[in-house]
Amino acid sequence: GESVGLHLPTLSVQEGDNSIINCAYSNSASDYFIWYKQESGKGPQFIIDIRSNMDKRQGQRVTVLLNKTVKHLSLQIAATQPGDSAVYFCAESSGGYNKLIFGAGTRLAVHP
Amino acid sequence: DAGVTQSPTHLIKTRGQHVTLRCSPISGHKSVSWYQQVLGQGPQFIFQYYEKEERGRGNFPDRFSARQFPNYSSELNVNALLLGDSALYLCASSLEGRMNTGELFFGEGSRLTVL
Repeated sequence: GESVGLHLPTLSVQEGDNSIINCAYSNSASDYFIWYKQESGKGPQFIIDIRSNMDKRQGQRVTVLLNKTVKHLSLQIAATQPGDSAVYFCAESSGGYNKLIFGAGTRLAVHP
Repeated sequence: DAGVTQSPTHLIKTRGQHVTLRCSPISGHKSVSWYQQVLGQGPQFIFQYYEKEERGRGNFPDRFSARQFPNYSSELNVNALLLGDSALYLCASSLEGRMNTGELFFGEGSRLTVL
């Protein structure tokens, strides 16, 4: 399928390593943040979310960290697998009606 | 259960033409949002509809319009197509209207190419 992110920054990791994808968000009033994974030819898929009253949230193999002081969000993927290869987007919301502001995206390439 | 379904999946139009894209939300979801994703960029918010009313609009010209039907499905219409309208148009649905109350589920998108 057509590539989602031809000119996106790329993070290359070895299978089994941990991956950290970073995102700077723009609006200090944003109170809800989401990470999405988008594979080529598909729509974004929800990974994990975090509200502004938290600074860390863990899911299965994924952890999101939020630093409101510097408006920074990160996604940590443990034991990265080839199936994790995709473009990852962070998105922010300021409590409005489903209006998400997406970041530029990072391509994760997992090598065996 | 079916996820968010969009049609058509791919279409080609010429400049000046009109296009209608369709979206069926997940059963029980009352909110539908539309996003435009230009190649190499993140999705950009176009519209949100909740309970058949427009609840939000992004920074898009009046050539873009949408509506939500009583069964909560939605259409996105774009008039007087420009080359720059070439993009993947994503529909997303959620149970309620506000982001903080739940996840947003995306469809696979409609790939529009304007020649």
